[in-house]
Amino acid sequence: QSVLTQPPSASGTPGQRVTISCSGSSSNIGSNYVYWYQQLPGTAPKLLIYRNNQRPSGVPDRFSGSKSGTSASLAISGLRSEDEADYYCAAWDDSLSGPWVFGGGTKLTVL
Amino acid sequence: QVQLVQSGAEVKKPGASVKVSCKASGYTFTSYGISWVRQAPGQGLEWMGWISAYNGNTNYAQKLQGRVTMTTDTSTSTAYMELRSLRSDDTAVYYCAREGAAARGFDYWGQGTLVTVSS
Repeated sequence: QSVLTQPPSASGTPGQRVTISCSGSSSNIGSNYVYWYQQLPGTAPKLLIYRNNQRPSGVPDRFSGSKSGTSASLAISGLRSEDEADYYCAAWDDSLSGPWVFGGGTKLTVL
Repeated sequence: QVQLVQSGAEVKKPGASVKVSCKASGYTFTSYGISWVRQAPGQGLEWMGWISAYNGNTNYAQKLQGRVTMTTDTSTSTAYMELRSLRSDDTAVYYCAREGAAARGFDYWGQGTLVTVSS
């Protein structure tokens, strides 16, 4: 049972825009930054978004993050086949669950 | 370029211990912390704990307190994670990850080490 809640799956066709949600509470998303990681099959996770909406260098601007209250979202525009991966949200948690907590992950399928 | 290279796969019996290493290069080791994150087969990510490479301070996940120890060797820029009293549900891929400065999250990850616990 993950502290942050994500939908287990999402899908879209090439060129579409998809969003993945991440729901938390006042002790994590509500009071701390949100991060997003992409995990391609058989590889280590990769940082995609930090501090709610910042992209590390090298991450395409097709990826964007947002946060409102105790929820956050990752949006992927211009969907490409290589975006098919698992996506995880994470946040610092001020309660005993923490300090770092993750969502259960969302498997994105490009149809 | 920043790299974190982990030790190889391990097979352990229940009740045994395992020690995984994570050798860092391409940056000043003592300027960043290292977290360990594990992923059971087909499951999500679980944060295990963090160690400061500067002073060795640690912070462990509550559920692993008493079974996990994280250390560093600054002379070789290597971080270690030891997990004791292994159980079958400790079977997972274990990752080390650098915690970036200024709240940048886990900005670099090791390739992962599969630890299998089986009798």
